[in-house]
Amino acid sequence: DIQMTQSPSTLSASVGDRVTITCRASQSISHWLAWYQQKPGKVPRLLIYKASYLDNGVPSRFSGSGSETEFTLTISSLQPEDFATYYCQQYDSSSPKWTFGQGTKVEI
Amino acid sequence: EVQLVEAGGGLVQPGESLRLSCLGSGFTFSAYWMTWVRQAPGKGLEWVANIKPDGSENYYVDSVKGRFRISRDNAKKSLYLQMNNVQGADTAVYYCARVSVAGLVWGQGALVTVSS
Repeated sequence: DIQMTQSPSTLSASVGDRVTITCRASQSISHWLAWYQQKPGKVPRLLIYKASYLDNGVPSRFSGSGSETEFTLTISSLQPEDFATYYCQQYDSSSPKWTFGQGTKVEI
Repeated sequence: EVQLVEAGGGLVQPGESLRLSCLGSGFTFSAYWMTWVRQAPGKGLEWVANIKPDGSENYYVDSVKGRFRISRDNAKKSLYLQMNNVQGADTAVYYCARVSVAGLVWGQGALVTVSS
C-alpha cells in the first residue's frame, strides 16, 4: 500500500507569508495527487487535483506542483482565511487504496 | 449540481452493526468510483473503502477489512457502508465522496458514535 507523508505537521506563519507544504508518496503515483483544505467542523474543500490543477473558485495564491513521489502545495501570500489544516491524498487508480497524508495545520 | 447526502449515522454499542447510506444526485452515479472517508474526533482524514462504478471491485483500509462492506445500487444512485462489529475506534464522521480525475466531491458527513 502507498504511504503518504506530509511535512511539516504544524506550520506557524503570518499573514503575507509564502507557505510550502510537502507530500511524499512511498512509490510513484504519477500526477494523481489532490490537496484539500479543512477548517474545524467543516467538510474538506478541494484545492488542487492532478497535482497542479486549481479547482474552480480556488484563489490563485494556491498552487501545486510535483510528480511521481514528491509534491508541494504553495500559498504565495497567506491570508487570514487560509489558517486551516491541509491534506494531500493519492488517488492513483492502479493502487486504489487512496490514502491521505496526516495533515498540516497552518496556524498563526 | 453534484450532491451527496449521507444517512444512517447515530449511536451504536460496541459489537453491534450499523448501515450508512449515501444518495447521489446531479451526476451519472453509475459512471464513478465512490469512496468512504472518515474522521475521528480531533484526528485527520482516513480513507476507508472504495468501490468501482459497476461494483465489481472494492478495497478497504486494513483496520476495517472483514468488518465493513461497501456496496452500491446504481439504479437507486446509492452507496452503502455496512459496519459490523463496530469498535470505539470506529467513532468518526463518515463522508461519502465521488471520485474522478478531478479529485473528490464530498457529502456533508454522518456521525457515528460507538459507545456503551
